[in-house]
Amino acid sequence: AQTVTQSQPEMSVQEAETVTLSCTYDTSESNYYLFWYKQPPSRQMILVIRQEAYKQQNATENRFSVNFQKAAKSFSLKISDSQLGDTAMYFCAFMKAASYDKVIFGPGTSLSVIP
Amino acid sequence: EAGVTQSPTHLIKTRGQQATLRCSPISGHTSVYWYQQALGLGLQFLLWYDEGEERNRGNFPPRFSGRQFPNYSSELNVNALELEDSALYLCASTFGGLNIQYFGAGTRLSVL
Repeated sequence: AQTVTQSQPEMSVQEAETVTLSCTYDTSESNYYLFWYKQPPSRQMILVIRQEAYKQQNATENRFSVNFQKAAKSFSLKISDSQLGDTAMYFCAFMKAASYDKVIFGPGTSLSVIP
Repeated sequence: EAGVTQSPTHLIKTRGQQATLRCSPISGHTSVYWYQQALGLGLQFLLWYDEGEERNRGNFPPRFSGRQFPNYSSELNVNALELEDSALYLCASTFGGLNIQYFGAGTRLSVL
């Protein structure tokens, strides 16, 4: 069975600074997808970034980038130039690529951006 | 384009009652997923519907059930409500080949 671990329940960062959220996962699958989702107080789960396991290049989306280490089963999220609107719960998630299967979520990291 | 919509936003029930939650996927999406987000427990997979069929279910008792309609909208039913069923229920949709799930804003179910 796949598991996703986020070891940082809470983090804070000063506005305009950079922060890195950690995520590790366990799987015996060779092909899969990894995601970071953001859930602000509005509750809407928003996709931040997506990584395909067979691609070695790390995904980037504007201020958000990942460090994907497949051998180490690590998938961290870096947020550059943090903004107040980045304050939210961040969930690391895993999905097998064999079929559009369920998404397995980590427990989440609560990020607060301090003005 | 409208996103995934869920209704109602909030639902208050008493123990033993039944709750019905509804989800409309993004236009063109044929798969609907349901997740339970209980306080302190993270998101747990409940059910997956695709093309009107139940494809997979998580580790939840049979009193959690649902269906998908011909227009791909979906309904989650929770029978014999228990206090621990209080949670945010999230619906997500996708379509084949995309492998990204798009989420609604959820239904907050409170069982008193």
